[in-house]
Amino acid sequence: GQNIDQPTEMTATEGAIVQINCTYQTSGFNGLFWYQQHAGEAPTFLSYNVLDGLEEKGRFSSFLSRSKGYSYLLLKELQMKDSASYLCAVRDPGNDYKLSFGAGTTVTVRA
Amino acid sequence: ETGVTQSPTHLIKTRGQQVTLRCSSQSGHNTVSWYQQALGQGPQFIFQYYREEENGRGNFPPRFSGLQFPNYSSELNVNALELDDSALYLCAYSGNTIYFGEGSWLTVV
Repeated sequence: GQNIDQPTEMTATEGAIVQINCTYQTSGFNGLFWYQQHAGEAPTFLSYNVLDGLEEKGRFSSFLSRSKGYSYLLLKELQMKDSASYLCAVRDPGNDYKLSFGAGTTVTVRA
Repeated sequence: ETGVTQSPTHLIKTRGQQVTLRCSSQSGHNTVSWYQQALGQGPQFIFQYYREEENGRGNFPPRFSGLQFPNYSSELNVNALELDDSALYLCAYSGNTIYFGEGSWLTVV
């Protein structure tokens, strides 16, 4: 089975940096996704990591360490519109179309 | 804009009724998966369809069923609705990554 943990809530100030951690315990590994989900909306894709290291995409970066079962999503220069839930998801080793999600981390950006 | 379209966007049903939710993709990918997301939770995998056959299923009872059509669009059917079925239902297609549609909000009263 898959066990994916991430913090429930985080609060940060506009312009600051926030790091959302995700740890996973899975039988095999086939890639890790991060999604952003605004209240009342569907998840939108942010990043995908399958190899160790840092992937940078504008203000957002994602890091993966397969040996530690650990990933983080880094949000820089926070804006009010970044207030949302951030979902960590692991792809099933035997099924590319099946994701197991954490419960999500709600990030609140304050002025 | 993911190119994945779901309908209806919102609906309310009574306990015991049946519901059909629909999904289509502009990209023509041949595998579609469905997820249920309860309030405050991450999405849970229901099942997936490949070339009109179910070929993967999560921990959901048989009253959750689906169809995939020759044009790769799909339906999710839920029979004998229960209050706990109230959730956001998402379909997803896979290209370079996995894209979700806007979802269908189902409320069971």
